[in-house]
Amino acid sequence: KNQVEQSPQSLIILEGKNCTLQCNYTVSPFSNLRWYKQDTGRGPVSLTIMTFSENTKSNGRYTATLDADTKQSSLHITASQLSDSASYICVVSAPRAGGANNLFFGTGTRLTVIP
Amino acid sequence: DARVTQTPRHKVTEMGQEVTMRCQPILGHNTVFWYRQTMMQGLELLAYFRNRAPLDDSGMPKDRFSAEMPDATLATLKIQPSEPRDSAVYFCASGLVSFDGESDTQYFGPGTRLTVL
Repeated sequence: KNQVEQSPQSLIILEGKNCTLQCNYTVSPFSNLRWYKQDTGRGPVSLTIMTFSENTKSNGRYTATLDADTKQSSLHITASQLSDSASYICVVSAPRAGGANNLFFGTGTRLTVIP
Repeated sequence: DARVTQTPRHKVTEMGQEVTMRCQPILGHNTVFWYRQTMMQGLELLAYFRNRAPLDDSGMPKDRFSAEMPDATLATLKIQPSEPRDSAVYFCASGLVSFDGESDTQYFGPGTRLTVL
């Protein structure tokens, strides 16, 4: 069964600290993996997208890693800021005939950064 | 600064009423997605259009939901009749799809928060 599981469900950290969010998936075949940030009351915003051949991708203080062999991805946030408080959603894409990919969503990690 | 716009932002209606949600994708994007988000289920893909043609609406309850793109600047999601279990935030997203069917990035609108009483 194609699934995307994220951990932890929620996380509270102090401002300035680093943290790592996990995404494990069983989706196969695999096309790409995206990390989104969703602020409360807003739509998700793409942070990174990685294909099978990419191991690491950075976007400012956000660094995503992908191990396609173990089907694991992580999102590392460096020197957290209060504005990092949001939900982080992992989405795995699987190819399908006809050009429309199947998308499998994690339920997200709720990150709270406190001063 | 190009953005996806959605109207209305909030909608409260009674069970059985028709609800229409509208989305204006970013100019030049050739794909439009409709998602539903609830606390219990998270994000779910409802429908996917490319070049205004529906490619996938398997995530959508066909008996009451319908999605259309009457032109390149407007996508609509309609629920008729609405039910309390339809209460959720509905997001529209647009993007550019490459030849192999991949979208580099999807840009989400602010969502329509629907409450069905």
